[in-house]
Amino acid sequence: DAGITQSPRHKVTETGTPVTLRCHQTENHRYMYWYRQDPGHGLRLIHYSYGVKDTDKGEVSDGYSVSRSKTEDFLLTLESATSSQTSVYFCAIMGKTGQHYNEQFFGPGTRLTVL
Amino acid sequence: GESVGLHLPTLSVQEGDNSIINCAYSNSASDYFIWYKQESGKGPQFIIDIRSNMDKRQGQRVTVLLNKTVKHLSLQIAATQPGDSAVYFCAGLHNTDKLIFGTGTRLQVFP
Repeated sequence: DAGITQSPRHKVTETGTPVTLRCHQTENHRYMYWYRQDPGHGLRLIHYSYGVKDTDKGEVSDGYSVSRSKTEDFLLTLESATSSQTSVYFCAIMGKTGQHYNEQFFGPGTRLTVL
Repeated sequence: GESVGLHLPTLSVQEGDNSIINCAYSNSASDYFIWYKQESGKGPQFIIDIRSNMDKRQGQRVTVLLNKTVKHLSLQIAATQPGDSAVYFCAGLHNTDKLIFGTGTRLQVFP
């Protein structure tokens, strides 16, 4: 299996509290992505990173921030969690060789419940 | 804007038959497409990819077809097996390196 892990795997928190999810890779891939998955919506892109300290917004970035201070870690932060952010969060990594994308892998997911 | 959509939410096939899962996209700038399989409780798993300069690509029991004229791609699974039961997603990527997913098709295989 590809070297990508997420922590925590499950979390229950209260509305208004900050939450940070961590994605860690050992593949040294350039690209990292955070998605949320909800019934009927598939996987929606929250933020992504194309290098250390290089990040950009996805489709549903409001209420989320990210940081990537080193290649292997991509952090997703909910500054003040709301019940609408209850979801399953997936991290993904992808490599690129020249113009060719390769090595797309997903993490196991984090189930977040905001009460 | 960018969007990748699926034609059908559920597809039921008999074991041994071929399956065809369809996907439409709207961004003509998309230059790379990926099909993923997601089993219950797991993250999506890469199946096969195709670049926009190709019309067809084959893997083991799977074939992806890309029709850029009508912005449509399909995933064909030959001799569908019970282990193929899962949700299948197409995803498109364009030059901003955003990987955008469709809503998914659930494939159900019955004996």
